[in-house]
Amino acid sequence: AQRVTQPEKLLSVFKGAPVELKCNYSYSGSPELFWYVQYSRQRLQLLLRHISRESIKGFTADLNKGETSFHLKKPFAQEEDSAMYYCALSGASNTGKLIFGQGTTLQVKP
Amino acid sequence: GAGVSQTPSNKVTEKGKYVELRCDPISGHTALYWYRQSLGQGPEFLIYFQGTGAADDSGLPNDRFFAVRPEGSVSTLKIQRTERGDSAVYLCASSFRLAGYYEQYFGPGTRLTVT
Repeated sequence: AQRVTQPEKLLSVFKGAPVELKCNYSYSGSPELFWYVQYSRQRLQLLLRHISRESIKGFTADLNKGETSFHLKKPFAQEEDSAMYYCALSGASNTGKLIFGQGTTLQVKP
Repeated sequence: GAGVSQTPSNKVTEKGKYVELRCDPISGHTALYWYRQSLGQGPEFLIYFQGTGAADDSGLPNDRFFAVRPEGSVSTLKIQRTERGDSAVYLCASSFRLAGYYEQYFGPGTRLTVT
């Protein structure tokens, strides 16, 4: 079965501290992995995807197929990073439908 | 340009009533998705349209749920005989399909409360 697990409901760090939001997935094939973010009172939006291997707003995520993980990292957290983060998987069905994790609230304290 | 819009933004209905939720995708986007997000959970896939046809409706929880997209643009999610368990935020997303990659743009959602 396809599943995405985000073990932490809440991650609280101080400004300037490193951040790692954990994501593990279960999928038998080669999935596409994404991180979506929802800032307060805004709609859900794409942050980054594994196939682009890019850094967005200082965030990076590496797909580890051996550990079936796609953790989101940032070396120095900023207060504006406070938001809800969702890890999502798209399988090989060619529909593009997304399987989301439960989400992690990142709280960056001043 | 205009993003995905959804109406109404909030809907309160009584148990057993019928509701319709509307989604206006981004112009030119051929793919349209409906998701449901219950409190404290991530969005859960309901149905996917490519053009006018429902290409994947495997996420619809039961036959009380139905969605249409008659002209390949606006979509309506219909829920019959609503139950309290249907209370959730219903999200719509659209995408312009590029080969091998589909970025989905989400609407603000409709918050449905069944009393």
